[in-house]
Amino acid sequence: RKEVEQDPGPFNVPEGATVAFNCTYSNSASQSFFWYRQDCRKEPKLLMSVYSSGNEDGRFTAQLNRASQYISLLIRDSKLSDSATYLCVVLGGATNKLIFGTGTLLAVQP
Amino acid sequence: SAVISQKPSRDICQRGTSLTIQCQVDSQVTMMFWYRQQPGQSLTLIATANQGSEATYESGFVIDKFPISRPNLTFSTLTVSNMSPEDSSIYLCSVEDGQHYGYTFGSGTRLTVV
Repeated sequence: RKEVEQDPGPFNVPEGATVAFNCTYSNSASQSFFWYRQDCRKEPKLLMSVYSSGNEDGRFTAQLNRASQYISLLIRDSKLSDSATYLCVVLGGATNKLIFGTGTLLAVQP
Repeated sequence: SAVISQKPSRDICQRGTSLTIQCQVDSQVTMMFWYRQQPGQSLTLIATANQGSEATYESGFVIDKFPISRPNLTFSTLTVSNMSPEDSSIYLCSVEDGQHYGYTFGSGTRLTVV
């Protein structure tokens, strides 16, 4: 089993749609959780950190469920510019290293 | 967040040669990380570079193939040695911006070995 698993994608959605990405992690000792965005041929950039209480940043909402070892990202009112690969990233337990999911490709269509 | 200057941004190299990638950070950082991202895949950690000590390599990566220098707290290099086409990949450096602020990445080096 992979340490971080994401929805395989790709997600093709129309502009204005709401889309949700899911991610599970295997190491219960993981400490910090992030969603990164990676545009084609670019480096990953931090979209948001994920907290147990859940956090929202504009159209983006992230949730963490430690009991189920589950992380989600919700994007409301999708824009064409949201098209990218979204990486679920976990800072793992004893190793204190970032573990990346394989990413979910989102394509927002006009 | 930290600003990282990584170069070269891309290169095409002959097999058997070596390429050194540089990362310069605008602030002092304890650890710098080197990743590889193969086509269509996510990032894999190659090694962690600490200033004043040898880098720590992940399983599957060795110092002879990927020597790393860390001469000070703002700079690091990764060398891809004796390259083969299988080394064609994007190489990225990264630093921590604080536990809850995530990690910042350099812009990446797109390497093609022919």
